[in-house]
Amino acid sequence: GAGVSQSPSNKVTEKGKDVELRCDPISGHTALYWYRQSLGQGLEFLIYFQGNSAPDKSGLPSDRFSAERTGGSVSTLTIQRTQQEDSAVYLCASSVQGNQPQHFGDGTRLSIL
Amino acid sequence: EDQVTQSPEALRLQEGESSSLNCSYTVSGLRGLFWYRQDPGKGPEFLFTLYSAGEEKEKERLKATLTKKESFLHITAPKPEDSATYLCAVQGRRANNLFFGTGTRLTVIP
Repeated sequence: GAGVSQSPSNKVTEKGKDVELRCDPISGHTALYWYRQSLGQGLEFLIYFQGNSAPDKSGLPSDRFSAERTGGSVSTLTIQRTQQEDSAVYLCASSVQGNQPQHFGDGTRLSIL
Repeated sequence: EDQVTQSPEALRLQEGESSSLNCSYTVSGLRGLFWYRQDPGKGPEFLFTLYSAGEEKEKERLKATLTKKESFLHITAPKPEDSATYLCAVQGRRANNLFFGTGTRLTVIP
């Protein structure tokens, strides 16, 4: 079946611009996660959605970062007023429920000029 | 605080030369330890979940084991297509997310 789909695969933008990254999870998966992977670093947790519960935003690095999940399916991660340190690969994952294996998309490679 | 340390950072093996990758962890109440494989430009691909000490899982040339402090990923008679970065992650009792190590970059030379 279809895996986790992320778009765009690459995004280049100027410092100070806003960007939106999209994630389509695996159908039927109630849990959705966003992570960030910087060069030479481990994956860094950003935010977690589970069903209709309030999201766990504990990993968001600043108030420039926000995310929403509409209809319990597609999610959008928004970064406002981008900075060069935001350059990274943003990965989305989904799982059947919160304590089950997470399945990842191929990420969006974000470059801030 | 949750911690995951993977060693070595990089490993070069001849085709057929078996070895092991290490993942040492500290976590408050382990809910699961996960192994992933990541190829360049791709997202992590799920390999195994281990839930309790003594548990073992196998898939083709890979075998994962778990103790109370560490996990090993054993690679038997590796092939060049096993070349990838192998990531270890833990999920603690209080966490919704996975906490990842920085990975071991494996290169298998024909």
